[in-house]
Amino acid sequence: AQSVTQLGSHVSVSEGALVLLRCNYSSSVPPYLFWYVQYPNQGLQLLLKYTSAATLVKGINGFEAEFKKSETSFHLTKPSAHMSDAAEYFCAVSPSNDYKLSFGAGTTVTVRA
Amino acid sequence: DTAVSQTPKYLVTQMGNDKSIKCEQNLGHDTMYWYKQDSKKFLKIMFSYNNKELIINETVPNRFSPKSPDKAHLNLHINSLELGDSAVYFCASSQRKATGELFFGEGSRLTVL
Repeated sequence: AQSVTQLGSHVSVSEGALVLLRCNYSSSVPPYLFWYVQYPNQGLQLLLKYTSAATLVKGINGFEAEFKKSETSFHLTKPSAHMSDAAEYFCAVSPSNDYKLSFGAGTTVTVRA
Repeated sequence: DTAVSQTPKYLVTQMGNDKSIKCEQNLGHDTMYWYKQDSKKFLKIMFSYNNKELIINETVPNRFSPKSPDKAHLNLHINSLELGDSAVYFCASSQRKATGELFFGEGSRLTVL
């Protein structure tokens, strides 16, 4: 079975500061890992995905994530937060041979001016 | 053109009623999903269809019945609604297995009184 754990249900950052969202996964097979963003009253949108190619993955809106097998982690970062980054962020995992995408509990990001 | 569209966007109904949510995707994808997001933002997969065939059927009360008349449509019918069914229901689609990107609709917010 596969699952993800997001550490911290809420992260507050100042505009221009580093954004760091933590995600650890558990998977019995090599995983495919994803970060999705959900803006208020909208559906989820893919930020980036890891599919066993490069361990450092770059996504949209200046976000990137690094896959670390030894730490079973896939943390999301952005060097400089913008007010528009305020949203809910979900880490998700899928085994390479399954249709089922399992989501973490989500992390709410607020950005202070 | 909206890629994944759901109707209605809002549903308010009484306990015991029956309601349906419709979903259509114009992306040419083979696989469609229903996810439930509860008040704590937790996302849980309910069903998935691939080319009109049910491939994921999670532990969901049998009051919930999905139907896929063709691969571009996936509807969700709920009988005898209960207070605990109040949630946001998201439809999604993907080109192939969940190792690909999921495209989400904007959600249907169901409130059961």
